[in-house]
This record gives sequence, C-alpha cells and structure tokens, in this order.
Amino acid sequence: ELKVEQNPLFLSMQEGKNYTIYCNYSTTSDRLYWYRQDPGKSLESLFVLLSNGAVKQEGRLMASLDTKARLSTLHITAAVHDLSATYFCAVGGAGGTSYGKLTFGQGTILTVHP
Amino acid sequence: DSGVTQTPKHLITATGQRVTLRCSPRSGDLSVYWYQQSLDQGLQFLIQYYNGEERAKGNILERFSAQQFPDLHSELNLSSLELGDSALYFCASNLITDTQYFGPGTRLTVL
Repeated sequence: ELKVEQNPLFLSMQEGKNYTIYCNYSTTSDRLYWYRQDPGKSLESLFVLLSNGAVKQEGRLMASLDTKARLSTLHITAAVHDLSATYFCAVGGAGGTSYGKLTFGQGTILTVHP
Repeated sequence: DSGVTQTPKHLITATGQRVTLRCSPRSGDLSVYWYQQSLDQGLQFLIQYYNGEERAKGNILERFSAQQFPDLHSELNLSSLELGDSALYFCASNLITDTQYFGPGTRLTVL
C-alpha cells in the first residue's frame, strides 16, 4: 500500500526566510502533485511533476521530484504572509485501475509571521 | 474557481439518516473522484468514475455508494450515518489522468 509522508507537519516561518517541505512516498510512481488549501476552502493545484528530475517554479514556490529517492520537495523562497496555508503533496497510483487514485500526505500547515 | 461544482455546501443531519451529495465536473472532464477529508483520517480517496463506469475504489464504506450519470454528474450516497462520518467531502474531476481539479466541497455534520 502506498504511503505518503510529509515533513514538517507544522512550519512557522518569518517573512523573508526560506524553507523546504519534504514529501516521501513508499512505492514507485512517476506522478507527484502539490496542492494548497486555505482554511475551510478547497484544494488548489500548484504543481504537477511527471518525471524524474522535474522542477517547476511559480513565484516564490519551487517543486522538484526525485523518483529514485521517492522524494519531492517544495521550496519556499522569501516567504510572505499570503503563503500561509496548508500544503499537500499527493502521489498518483502506479497503474491499472488505481492509476487515477491520489494518495495524499498529511499536509504541512505553514504560517508566515511578520 | 476550478469549474467543479458541488451541492449542497453544508449538510446537517442525524445519525441513521441518508444523504446525497452532488457533483458536476468541469466541462469536458470524463473522470469524477470523491474524497473525504477529516481530522482523523486526513484526505482519503473514496471512489472514481470514468464516463459512467466505476474505475477505482478506495477506502469506501459499504454504507456509501456512488454513481455517475450520462450527463457526467455524480452523486455520492451516504446511508446509516454515524457521528464519525462528519467530514468534508470533495469531488474532483479531470479528463483522464492529468491534474485533478477539486470542487468547493460539502461539509457534512452528523449529530
């Protein structure tokens, strides 16, 4: 059974600082997704990573994927208050009928302080 | 706005009752997914439908069932409700296997 673990689960940052959220998963997959969720809201897609070595950047966020290490990272550069949210990584199923199924990590609650 | 719609937004009901949650996917999307989000279990995949047929099943209880209709909207039926069924239920859609776009969710409270 696929397991997805994020760390840290809670992250309190100062504005202007950098930090990285890690997402480890237990079985082979070549599809990794990052989502953002604001309190009481839906999930917003941030990044889709579909191959080993994939790197994507949007604003102050950059995501990467290492399928050999079964690890994805979400790097935050010069954090601002607007980035405060919960961030989830999700791994796509390996194949067959589970291909579309997403297995989510526990989520990382990010709070950015002035 | 993802383009996925869900109704109702909130639902309050009593134990033992049955409810139906409705989802309309984005225009052109053929796959619909249902997820449950709770503090205990996190975000869990329940079931996927593709063009009217069940494609994959997750940790969905036998008391829960779903279907996708010819117009591609989907309904999730929850019966014999228990306190532990209180959660946010999300529907997501995509064309086949690309990014899943999530709806606003239905918050179910079982009293």
